[in-house]
Amino acid sequence: DTEVTQTPKHLVMGMTNKKSLKCEQHMGHRAMYWYKQKAKKPPELMFVYSYEKLSINESVPSRFSPECPNSSLLNLHLHALQPEDSALYLCASSQEQSGKVVSYEQYFGPGTRLTVT
Amino acid sequence: AQRVTQPEKLLSVFKGAPVELKCNYSYSGSPELFWYVQYSRQRLQLLLRHISRESIKGFTADLNKGETSFHLKKPFAQEEDSAMYYCALLSKGALNRDDKIIFGKGTRLHILP
Repeated sequence: DTEVTQTPKHLVMGMTNKKSLKCEQHMGHRAMYWYKQKAKKPPELMFVYSYEKLSINESVPSRFSPECPNSSLLNLHLHALQPEDSALYLCASSQEQSGKVVSYEQYFGPGTRLTVT
Repeated sequence: AQRVTQPEKLLSVFKGAPVELKCNYSYSGSPELFWYVQYSRQRLQLLLRHISRESIKGFTADLNKGETSFHLKKPFAQEEDSAMYYCALLSKGALNRDDKIIFGKGTRLHILP
């Protein structure tokens, strides 16, 4: 399996809702990433997990809460979002070995299109 | 400052004509650069990386440290090349696990029939 999968494909939520985005990969990659992509813009890095530990948080507001329950799964918990948080949320993974990145080729999922009303 | 610049938002090229997508970077160390591509309704994917010195789908990119450039080239454009292309730079942190990819703003390539 050489794919990164993301669920749901689309999500509409109100500003008071709590929801979660899920990402899964079975390529044995130990580095996983969350990106936010606005229309016609490049992906913006939000979080990086390395061996299930958070290694980078790009000053993301606390209304976004990542979680890596195991080496194959990555979640992004959403709470009290704002309309400007509407975007495509991309998950990606890459190889790592013993804490050292082996390959910087990132495999991207198809994304979750989030609309906050 | 670490930066990737893609000066063209949109590039329109006739089928069969040569293509060159420009990318310039700013980086204090030894750079590692990539081109990612996003076809319509498909996921973002790696096209090529400079350390591999490979040609993918007829595309090549040469790192020019003197000009701090990593332009993407193809001698004869095909209609299926129409897509969004992102140049990307590996930004190395103090620790290996702090490494991250910085994306340029992207160039939309439109191949005209």
